[in-house]
Order: sequence, then C-alpha cells, then structure tokens
Amino acid sequence: AQTVTQSQPEMSVQEAETVTLSCTYDTSESDYYLFWYKQPPSRQMILVIRQEAYKQQNATENRFSVNFQKAAKSFSLKISDSQLGDAAMYFCAHLGGNKLVFGAGTILRVKS
Amino acid sequence: DAGITQSPRHKVTETGTPVTLRCHQTENHRYMYWYRQDPGHGLRLIHYSYGVKDTDKGEVSDGYSVSRSKTEDFLLTLESATSSQTSVYFCAISESGQGLDEQFFGPGTRLTVL
Repeated sequence: AQTVTQSQPEMSVQEAETVTLSCTYDTSESDYYLFWYKQPPSRQMILVIRQEAYKQQNATENRFSVNFQKAAKSFSLKISDSQLGDAAMYFCAHLGGNKLVFGAGTILRVKS
Repeated sequence: DAGITQSPRHKVTETGTPVTLRCHQTENHRYMYWYRQDPGHGLRLIHYSYGVKDTDKGEVSDGYSVSRSKTEDFLLTLESATSSQTSVYFCAISESGQGLDEQFFGPGTRLTVL
C-alpha cells in the first residue's frame, strides 16, 4: 500500500520570503504521480502542482516548484515570494493504480 | 470551475440512522470518488466509480456503500451512521483516473453524527 508522510504539522513564513514544505512517500508502483493540493479556509481543494514520476525534471508553476528525489522518495514543495493568499493547508498526494493517497497536511501561516 | 455539487452541504443526524450523500457532476467524467477528511489524516478514499454501475473500494470503505446508476450521480450511503463517521466528505471527479487528468473536488459535506 502507498503511504504519504508530511512531517511538519505547521509552518510559518514571512510575506515575500521562501518556504519549503516536506513530503515523503512509499510506493510499490513503478508508474505514479505526485501532487500538492492547497486547501484554504473555504475547504475547496485546489491543485497546486503535479509531478510525473518518470520525469526527472522538477515541475514548476509560477512561484511554486518541487524538489523531486525519486530514489529518496521525497517530494518537497517550495513557495517563493510568499503571499498572504498562500496561507492554507497543503496536502501532498500520491496517485498510483487510480487511487489518490494523501498525507496528513501542513498548515502554512503567512505573516505580514 | 468544474461542475460538481454535493448535497446536502451540512447534515446532523443521530446514531443508527441511514444517511445518503449525493454528488452530481455536469462534466461527463468517467471517474467519481468519495473521500472523507479528518484531522491528522488528510483525505482518505472511501469508494470510487470508474463507470455506471462500476465501483471499487478505497482505503476506508467499511460502513459505507455507493451506487452509480447515471454518469452524473454518485451516491454515498451510511446504512447505520455511527459517531466515528462524523467527518467532512468530499466528492471528486476525473476524466480517466490517470495522473495526467486532474481530480476536481466538490465543496464538501459536513456530517455530524450525534
């Protein structure tokens, strides 16, 4: 079974600074995808970024980028130039065999 | 925004009563999913459907059943609700179930079982 671990229950960052959220996973799948989702207080789940495991290049989406270390089974999210609107719960997730498995989440607080 | 609605959005019920949650989509996506969200666990898959009348179990399926008689509707039923089923329930849809197709999530239903 796949597992996803987010070891940081809560993180804080100063506005305009950079923060990195950690995620490790365990999988028996050879072909899989990894995701970061954002959940603001509205509860809406929003896809932030996606990484295909067979691609060595790290995915980037504007201020969001990942550090994908396949051998170490690590998938961290870096948020650059943090904004107040980035404050939310962030979930790391693994998709293999049509099933999405989520980590427990990291609450990100942004200080002005 | 993907056309996904969930009903009801909030429900309070008593232990032992049956409860049905509805997910409705207007996107004609093949895959539909039910998750529950609890503190410390993130979202966990309950059941999913890969077509009309085709369903499979997820990680936490005990105590839940599902049905999909039409492409657009996916029902989650708690036959006899228990306090441990108090949670926020999310429906999601995707076109193919594969990683290149995003899973779009509904707004969630908060269920409280007293």
